[in-house]
Amino acid sequence: EAGVAQSPRYKIIEKRQSVAFWCNPISGHATLYWYQQILGQGPKLLIQFQNNGVVDDSQLPKDRFSAERLKGVDSTLKIQPAKLEDSAVYLCASSLASRGVYEQYFGPGTRLTVT
Amino acid sequence: AQSVTQPDIHITVSEGASLELRCNYSYGATPYLFWYVQSPGQGLQLLLKYFSGDTLVQGIKGFEAEFKRSQSSFNLRKPSVHWSDAAEYFCAVGGSSSASKIIFGSGTRLSIRP
Repeated sequence: EAGVAQSPRYKIIEKRQSVAFWCNPISGHATLYWYQQILGQGPKLLIQFQNNGVVDDSQLPKDRFSAERLKGVDSTLKIQPAKLEDSAVYLCASSLASRGVYEQYFGPGTRLTVT
Repeated sequence: AQSVTQPDIHITVSEGASLELRCNYSYGATPYLFWYVQSPGQGLQLLLKYFSGDTLVQGIKGFEAEFKRSQSSFNLRKPSVHWSDAAEYFCAVGGSSSASKIIFGSGTRLSIRP
């Protein structure tokens, strides 16, 4: 079974530029999550999708971050414009369960450096 | 408020020694508890989970954890560590409703002394 795929693995941009990350979840997983992990901290949920609908985006900075999940499969997370404090690893995860909290499978992450 | 506390930022143990990583949680309902491991440059891998039933749960790579409701703890243990266990370990808590989300602790970095 293929795992969660993410690209790119690394990205360096200057502040005020835009960037996009892509995630392909495990086949058949209805729920998809984007997390932000700042160095030295645990992952923080940015947005959760159930199929192609948003379940929770309460911690997504909506003035600069956006995310979509087309056709309930792949997802993209965009930052525009980026700030220095956006430097972090962006993790995508997926889960088979449609209700409740069940184990999540994580991708390798995208390390973003904003200079 | 939901929260997870991992009081040890960094632990060093000798190869072959036993290990215990501490985790305390605050959750208003019955918690679902998880331990994840993250190797450098990698995503998180689930070690074990507790939903209900036996409070001592077994996981992969020889790890186990014990749920103690009275202490609000879910400590991770391993009887004999290997050099390959060096990584970052995260405890997490979630709930059973569809509105629940997983809250992660800040992590404990484990180093292995040869």
